[in-house]
Amino acid sequence: QVQLVQSGAEVKKPGASVKVSCKASGYTFTTYDINWVRQATGQGLEWMGWMNPHSGNTGYAQKFQGRVAMTRDTSISTAYMELSSLRSEDTAVYYCARGHPNTVTSGYWFDPWGQGTLVSVSS
Amino acid sequence: QSVLTQPPSVSAAPGQKVTISCSGSGSNIGNNYVSWYHQLPGTAPKLLIYDNNKRPSGIPDRFSGSKSGTSATLGITGLQTGDEADYYCGTWDSSLSAWVFGGGTKLTVL
Repeated sequence: QVQLVQSGAEVKKPGASVKVSCKASGYTFTTYDINWVRQATGQGLEWMGWMNPHSGNTGYAQKFQGRVAMTRDTSISTAYMELSSLRSEDTAVYYCARGHPNTVTSGYWFDPWGQGTLVSVSS
Repeated sequence: QSVLTQPPSVSAAPGQKVTISCSGSGSNIGNNYVSWYHQLPGTAPKLLIYDNNKRPSGIPDRFSGSKSGTSATLGITGLQTGDEADYYCGTWDSSLSAWVFGGGTKLTVL
């Protein structure tokens, strides 16, 4: 079945960087976008950006421009999200999600989601 | 605050019906398709509705979606205790060039 499996929890100090991986299985990795969404404890969902695994093209939310990089390794069907200059406010669960387009209607949705990766930023 | 507005919480008794609203603007809901996600405590979000009103396979027809103008609505009938979760609407915002979510609605089945 289609599945996204993420890397394990991370603990980082302020100012450091974190790189979270998302391994896809059950479908052709290069045919669907991978999006990244984060959720602080007790808060809602916040979209960070998308990546096209075929071309490597990316699009980032303005809030994260200059601080986030989304990459991929097609040989192992894995997407990566690296966030730099971490601060305490970046403590959150980070999710990858496959972007599923409807080529007829131009609709777009996220399915499935990875299990989430907790990133804790603390001195 | 979130670009899309949802009520923070709704509640109803088992077997009853509930609706969750999602209000936006012309740059998001008004001109793009809406999807809905539910999130059980401690788990990842899961797709519930896509393209405003379509259900993925495996989602029972107790769940429905609709859209009118700049608002969307999720309906759940025959409420079960297992439906207790957080529900989020989402869509693309053409002005922001970003995907936006509602703030989430916590459903309590009394």
